[in-house]
Amino acid sequence: DGGITQSPKYLFRKEGQNVTLSCEQNLNHDAMYWYRQDPGQGLRLIYYSQIVNDFQKGDIAEGYSVSREKKESFPLTVTSAQKNPTAFYLCASSIAGGGNQPQHFGDGTRLSIL
Amino acid sequence: AQKVTQAQTEISVVEKEDVTLDCVYETRDTTYYLFWYKQPPSGELVFLIRRNSFDEQNEISGRYSWNFQKSTSSFNFTITASQVVDSAVYFCALSEDPGKLIFGTGTRLQVFP
Repeated sequence: DGGITQSPKYLFRKEGQNVTLSCEQNLNHDAMYWYRQDPGQGLRLIYYSQIVNDFQKGDIAEGYSVSREKKESFPLTVTSAQKNPTAFYLCASSIAGGGNQPQHFGDGTRLSIL
Repeated sequence: AQKVTQAQTEISVVEKEDVTLDCVYETRDTTYYLFWYKQPPSGELVFLIRRNSFDEQNEISGRYSWNFQKSTSSFNFTITASQVVDSAVYFCALSEDPGKLIFGTGTRLQVFP
């Protein structure tokens, strides 16, 4: 089945540690996105990529990094600089990067601090 | 600045009741897109509908209907004859720039049997 796979489902981070969240899609979509969701809030854009080897910062990029070396993969690294990383992280993709394209989401990764 | 407001934090209804979820948006652009997504307890967001700023026709899809009114900057979502499976958090979102979705804070709908 085509879709977006995020792993792991749950992740725990120790203080001062970097962790990487995986996002893979087999929809042949050009654009991919990372969002953060906090309780009682909407989703906020961290980074997005409209094409391989290119990505842009979203509204809350500080403390995060991404790469887009392959069309189907868009991993997100939560660095130790992100002081409040506990949240639900959602990856999405769309056929192209235009504003009219609906985004399709994965099941999310829940990150917690040990 | 772009903004999406979902003033209803939580709504509870009994099965078979109709329910309307409100969405009000702010934008300076003349071309924009509005979306509704459903987030069930499993966590993933499910795309429900897209509407562009030039198309004010209301849309109906089964028990779901959407009312887009540019004059009031609203894009409301109605579920007719609600069912327990409709229980979820519903998000309204606005898109202008390529790839940037601005989400509202969501409305949690609980449908009781």
